[in-house]
Amino acid sequence: GQNIDQPTEMTATEGAIVQINCTYQTSGFNGLFWYQQHAGEAPTFLSYNVLDGLEEKGRFSSFLSRSKGYSYLLLKELQMKDSASYLCAVREDTNAGKSTFGDGTTLTVKP
Amino acid sequence: NAGVMQNPRHLVRRRGQEARLRCSPMKGHSHVYWYRQLPEEGLKFMVYLQKENIIDESGMPKERFSAEFPKEGPSILRIQQVVRGDSAAYFCASSPSGGANGDTQYFGPGTRLTVL
Repeated sequence: GQNIDQPTEMTATEGAIVQINCTYQTSGFNGLFWYQQHAGEAPTFLSYNVLDGLEEKGRFSSFLSRSKGYSYLLLKELQMKDSASYLCAVREDTNAGKSTFGDGTTLTVKP
Repeated sequence: NAGVMQNPRHLVRRRGQEARLRCSPMKGHSHVYWYRQLPEEGLKFMVYLQKENIIDESGMPKERFSAEFPKEGPSILRIQQVVRGDSAAYFCASSPSGGANGDTQYFGPGTRLTVL
């Protein structure tokens, strides 16, 4: 089984930088995903990490440390539209296909 | 290229009725996943299917819930004799394969089930 932890809520100011952490405990590991979900909408894919290190994609970056069971999503130059829930998900098995999701971090961006 | 499609988007049922939720994966995707999301909670895995096969149903409740993905047509999640606790958003996702090479799962818009 898996245990995925991320903070429930975070607040940040428009234009600032925010880091959302995710820790996981799994019996296997085949990649970690970050999704963004606006209220009442479907999750949309943001990033995928399977090797240690930082993946940068525009204003969003994601970091992974497999030895520490740790990832973070970094959002730069925050915009009001970044207010959403951010979901960390771990795929445990290459053959399983399914991803196990954390409960999500609700980010509120204030002017 | 159309994304993952789900219908209906909203479904209202009375206790004891049946609910049928449909999911058409993205073109070229043969792997389908169903997740349930209760209010203020994260996504919970229910079932993973390929065409005509259930690969992993470890997240499915033992009773009243079933899923299929026939050779032709959409994947169906069926809930019999619905109860108020079944009220949730049900999301379908699809991927080209089942996990190799970090296949991303693309989500549909969800079906919001309300049980009165």
